[in-house]
Amino acid sequence: AQKITQTQPGMFVQEKEAVTLDCTYDTSDPSYGLFWYKQPSSGEMIFLIYQGSYDQQNATEGRYSLNFQKARKSANLVISASQLGDSAMYFCAMREGGETQGGSEKLVFGKGTKLTVNP
Amino acid sequence: DAGVTQSPTHLIKTRGQQVTLRCSPKSGHDTVSWYQQALGQGPQFIFQYYEEEERQRGNFPDRFSGHQFPNYSSELNVNALLLGDSALYLCASSLGWDFDTEAFFGQGTRLTVV
Repeated sequence: AQKITQTQPGMFVQEKEAVTLDCTYDTSDPSYGLFWYKQPSSGEMIFLIYQGSYDQQNATEGRYSLNFQKARKSANLVISASQLGDSAMYFCAMREGGETQGGSEKLVFGKGTKLTVNP
Repeated sequence: DAGVTQSPTHLIKTRGQQVTLRCSPKSGHDTVSWYQQALGQGPQFIFQYYEEEERQRGNFPDRFSGHQFPNYSSELNVNALLLGDSALYLCASSLGWDFDTEAFFGQGTRLTVV
């Protein structure tokens, strides 16, 4: 079963506006971490933000915030005040704690969302 | 502080050949993981190395093997290359592998098999 689902293959946003990228996940592990990465055309995966399953508050990092709804198993990324340099692929990923299904060594990624910021 | 570095950045190989990709982890990191990213897909976990041993392996054939050296750097070897092995290969380093451990990625090696 797919563990990370990103339903938006592509998104468009006007410069300076906010955009939400969707991510839903599936796990039976009580401990897990959710990560968002940005991948420009150069290929490098750039870490943006992290949310732990036990965190009570939504994570924020500068213009990035994570809308974490644990009961709905969603972890949407919100980018405020979009910039042209935000155009890239965005990946949601999860690392499980390993209490129910083995170790937590691997990150499981979604298929990504291509964000295009228009001037 | 240098981040994760991978070499080479691009590589073209012929079907049936063997290839070795290299990764130097971020300073202070002891764990290296390798991922394969096919075009238009998210990265897929190949395996992880810690203390020079393979800790966990994803759903990849034995043609994919690796090694970790005492200085924590790592190599990914792929034998008998297939056209389907063409992909971006990403190395990620971390300090351990707990569920809240952040992984730092290199810029990747883009392998083309012809």
